[in-house]
Amino acid sequence: NAGVMQNPRHLVRRRGQEARLRCSPMKGHSHVYWYRQLPEEGLKFMVYLQKENIIDESGMPKERFSAEFPKEGPSILRIQQVVRGDSAAYFCASSSQGNDNYGYTFGSGTRLTVV
Amino acid sequence: AQRVTQPEKLLSVFKGAPVELKCNYSYSGSPELFWYVQYSRQRLQLLLRHISRESIKGFTADLNKGETSFHLKKPFAQEEDSAMYYCAPPGAPDKLIFGTGTRLQVFP
Repeated sequence: NAGVMQNPRHLVRRRGQEARLRCSPMKGHSHVYWYRQLPEEGLKFMVYLQKENIIDESGMPKERFSAEFPKEGPSILRIQQVVRGDSAAYFCASSSQGNDNYGYTFGSGTRLTVV
Repeated sequence: AQRVTQPEKLLSVFKGAPVELKCNYSYSGSPELFWYVQYSRQRLQLLLRHISRESIKGFTADLNKGETSFHLKKPFAQEEDSAMYYCAPPGAPDKLIFGTGTRLQVFP
């Protein structure tokens, strides 16, 4: 079991470009969560998805950010027209069901640097 | 809403000293709490689930309903314990909302 796979590990984008971050959940997991970790800060919840559905996007910025989890393929976090403030580590987690008493499994994260 | 508070951003101790990382929660119902650890530039890993009452890497955490706390403790800190520690309930009802985290630094 390869665990939660995120790619790329590091992503550099110029201001105004688009960033696409991918997350493949653990085998058998149908719940995906995205978190952002700003430098020297804690983890902030962004969005919770199940296959083809956004369940909770209360932590997503209102503009430029979107997420999807299609029926086939990885979950994608998309940031349009990136700005310097988007530089952060983005972590994905998955679980077999919401409110999982066994905790969530995290990926290694994607470190986005906007130059 | 389920919330946790980690009052200390940074905790520095010397090797061999006892460690207590504080976590207080505030929500109704039966709490289910976790501690996660993130070593330098690595993924978050589940450290402890309160329902399992296990000890991992010498760490323990007891749920104190009277004080609404779930502090993480270790009697003798090691340098390799240096990491970021997050307390988390399972969310309301379906997403993990982490505390702000406490960075533990263990000096030799």
